[in-house]
Amino acid sequence: EDQVTQSPEALRLQEGESSSLNCSYTVSGLRGLFWYRQDPGKGPEFLFTLYSAGEEKEKERLKATLTKKESFLHITAPKPEDSATYLCAVQARTGGGNKLTFGTGTQLKVEL
Amino acid sequence: NAGVTQTPKFQVLKTGQSMTLQCAQDMNHNSMYWYRQDPGMGLRLIYYSASEGTTDKGEVPNGYNVSRLNKREFSLRLESAAPSQTSVYFCASSETLLAKNIQYFGAGTRLSVL
Repeated sequence: EDQVTQSPEALRLQEGESSSLNCSYTVSGLRGLFWYRQDPGKGPEFLFTLYSAGEEKEKERLKATLTKKESFLHITAPKPEDSATYLCAVQARTGGGNKLTFGTGTQLKVEL
Repeated sequence: NAGVTQTPKFQVLKTGQSMTLQCAQDMNHNSMYWYRQDPGMGLRLIYYSASEGTTDKGEVPNGYNVSRLNKREFSLRLESAAPSQTSVYFCASSETLLAKNIQYFGAGTRLSVL
């Protein structure tokens, strides 16, 4: 069974204080790993897809990396508007329907 | 650019009542999905439709039915609502290309069953 574990559950940072969120996974052959951002009362918003170990992607203050067992979402010099819940999900090579298995998320709060 | 639209946004039901959650996408996607999100549980797949005319069970299908009305629309029906179905429901859609499975989500339907 595919599993995704995210840590920490919650993270409080000061503006400008860089940090990383972790996503550990077990999957029967990884097709893709996805990062989403979710604001309160809204649906998840796509951020990144990573397909193979060693791959990295960046968007503004966010950088996602991937190894064979985990992914990190690095946040450099965060701002209050980066406050949100960050979700990680994996898609396995086996099985149909493009199904994703989600972690429970990391709730990030960036304070002035 | 609407993307994925869900209706209603909020709903309160009494135990035993039925209702249908509606979802429509305007991105010409082949695949559509229904998830529920509960505190501490993450998003869990209820049903999905890989393409028009097909539907399959996900992780938590009991108590739900779905209809893929056409390529754009995918509805979720609760025949006899139970308090355990109190949750936030999200619809999503994606292309079916092998290398791209970016799922785009709607804003959600917040359902309370009393």
